Amino acid sequence: GNSVTQMEGPVTLSEEAFLTINCTYTATGYPSLFWYVQYPGEGLQLLLKATKADDKGSNKGFEATYRKETTSFHLEKGSVQVSDSAVYFCALVANYGQNFVFGPGTRLSVLP
Amino acid sequence: EAGVTQFPSHSVIEKGQTVTLRCDPISGHDNLYWYRRVMGKEIKFLLHFVKESKQDESGMPNNRFLAERTGGTYSTLKVQPAELEDSGVYFCASSLKMNTEAFFGQGTRLTVV
Repeated sequence: GNSVTQMEGPVTLSEEAFLTINCTYTATGYPSLFWYVQYPGEGLQLLLKATKADDKGSNKGFEATYRKETTSFHLEKGSVQVSDSAVYFCALVANYGQNFVFGPGTRLSVLP
Repeated sequence: EAGVTQFPSHSVIEKGQTVTLRCDPISGHDNLYWYRRVMGKEIKFLLHFVKESKQDESGMPNNRFLAERTGGTYSTLKVQPAELEDSGVYFCASSLKMNTEAFFGQGTRLTVV
């Protein structure tokens, strides 16, 4: 079946540090890939997405590239801020499927 | 435009009681999904409505869970009777089309004691 694996947290960084959260997936066919973020006290928000191989999703300084050869969709940001503290979820939707498959989430804490 | 809204935001009930969660999707979204996250683990799919019809309910854990979407608008998820392992955060999401971006609500945190 389809699955998503992402690095376990928590991840603690200082402000302006470089962030990488690894995400790899297993899926049949060509899924669409997503990063969702949950800020404290809020719901899940779409951060970025990519729908085909080599696409790069970007938003709010975050980037992730759909790598079919390594089945990965790693999230990166060059300089994190305290306001980026949240839980980040990698997810996929199979092209024939109907629902999202999520990773376990990675909690990020950014210290001033 | 209003987003996906869920009620209540928190619920604490005793084992054996009944709880009903409600979700109001974005207007015009035919697709409505329920997910839950138990004890900090993965967010797991429960079921999917297309309008008022259950398209896929393969993720429903057992017959103590009943979801409805009368008239194809809002949806309810009833847990009866609740068990301790039902504690978690229940998310609702809606989308215009399948296999595309889904918009999530804030979730309902259910605690069964």
